[in-house]
Amino acid sequence: TQLLEQSPQFLSIQEGENLTVYCNSSSVFSSLQWYRQEPGEGPVLLVTVVTGGEVKKLKRLTFQFGDARKDSSLHITAAQPGDTGLYLCAGAPTSGTYKYIFGTGTRLKVLA
Amino acid sequence: KAGVTQTPRYLIKTRGQQVTLSCSPISGHRSVSWYQQTPGQGLQFLFEYFSETQRNKGNFPGRFSGRQFSNSRSEMNVSTLELGDSALYLCASSLVSSSYEQYFGPGTRLTVT
Repeated sequence: TQLLEQSPQFLSIQEGENLTVYCNSSSVFSSLQWYRQEPGEGPVLLVTVVTGGEVKKLKRLTFQFGDARKDSSLHITAAQPGDTGLYLCAGAPTSGTYKYIFGTGTRLKVLA
Repeated sequence: KAGVTQTPRYLIKTRGQQVTLSCSPISGHRSVSWYQQTPGQGLQFLFEYFSETQRNKGNFPGRFSGRQFSNSRSEMNVSTLELGDSALYLCASSLVSSSYEQYFGPGTRLTVT
């Protein structure tokens, strides 16, 4: 079974700090996505990365897909309270019947 | 454009009963995927339907089933409910099965007592 491990599991930081969330697997994925989920809502897609080594920026968020397409990172610069939420990575397997495998999640709390 | 809608939003059932959840995708989207989210297991893929056919399937027992109608609306059914089936059930729609972008609904919170 393919697994996506995220670290850290929990993160509590002050407004203005930087942080990085990691998403790691021993399996190769054809694409990888990052989502943010807030309480009582479904996950919202932030970005999709497809090419090994790809870097995408979304305002203060920077996403990177590993060269071997087995891992990814999400870096937030100058975190704000509005960034609070559950961050999930999801990989599309290169084989098998699963459409997406989701990571274990990182719960971020940004304190004002 | 209206988002993905799921009904009902909350449901309480008794062990042994069955339940049917409904999902209406974004207009024009033909692919619907279902997921189960629990604190212990996280978000797990159940199955995907595209053009009324199951395209992908996760590792869940046969008690979990689904279907899709010609208007792309989808239902999932869980029979013989167990306490462990208590979860947030999410559906996501995308334009086509191969599309990277999927949009989630708010989910149905199922509690089995």
